[in-house]
Amino acid sequence: GESVGLHLPTLSVQEGDNSIINCAYSNSASDYFIWYKQESGKGPQFIIDIRSNMDKRQGQRVTVLLNKTVKHLSLQIAATQPGDSAVYFCAFDSGGGADGLTFGKGTHLIIQP
Amino acid sequence: NAGVTQTPKFRVLKTGQSMTLLCAQDMNHEYMYWYRQDPGMGLRLIHYSVGEGTTAKGEVPDGYNVSRLKKQNFLLGLESAAPSQTSVYFCASKGLTHPKRGEPQHFGDGTRLSIL
Repeated sequence: GESVGLHLPTLSVQEGDNSIINCAYSNSASDYFIWYKQESGKGPQFIIDIRSNMDKRQGQRVTVLLNKTVKHLSLQIAATQPGDSAVYFCAFDSGGGADGLTFGKGTHLIIQP
Repeated sequence: NAGVTQTPKFRVLKTGQSMTLLCAQDMNHEYMYWYRQDPGMGLRLIHYSVGEGTTAKGEVPDGYNVSRLKKQNFLLGLESAAPSQTSVYFCASKGLTHPKRGEPQHFGDGTRLSIL
């Protein structure tokens, strides 16, 4: 079936540095991609999304890049702060319909002082 | 604006017991979902609903039932709990998707369920 994988289960960065979290997907029909942040004891929180007709989208301190050729998605967090410590999940939604999301396993981002 | 609310937040059951998890959303969303999250894994879809009175199976539906009698509520039932159903359960909702842009799902804070 479809799968969404992450290259690194844990990422440790210095406070103030930029963080890059990567995600690979296998379903060529995927047309909508989402990054979620999950803090301990909480549900996934929407960060940023991107449609397949785009290759880059920017938010506040976050940028999502999509490379459909190699089926790769990345989340860049600028000037990482202690509050960015969390598990980050990529997810995709095929066809824009009602079907549920397919999630990756998650990357734990650790911020070092 | 409460968003998606799940009750209870924690529960411990004995094998064979039954229970119902409640999800309520106040965003007038059409679509609602139940996921489970196990250690080291991403969320997996159990069941979902595209509207009041409708339900459909997801990736891991066995051992669960759902009902959507009201648009704002989505219930997840365990008829005979098993230790393999120990997990964190998340409910999510989503509004109708614009044809040219996506629509993210909005999640509750989960129900932590332990089956002894």
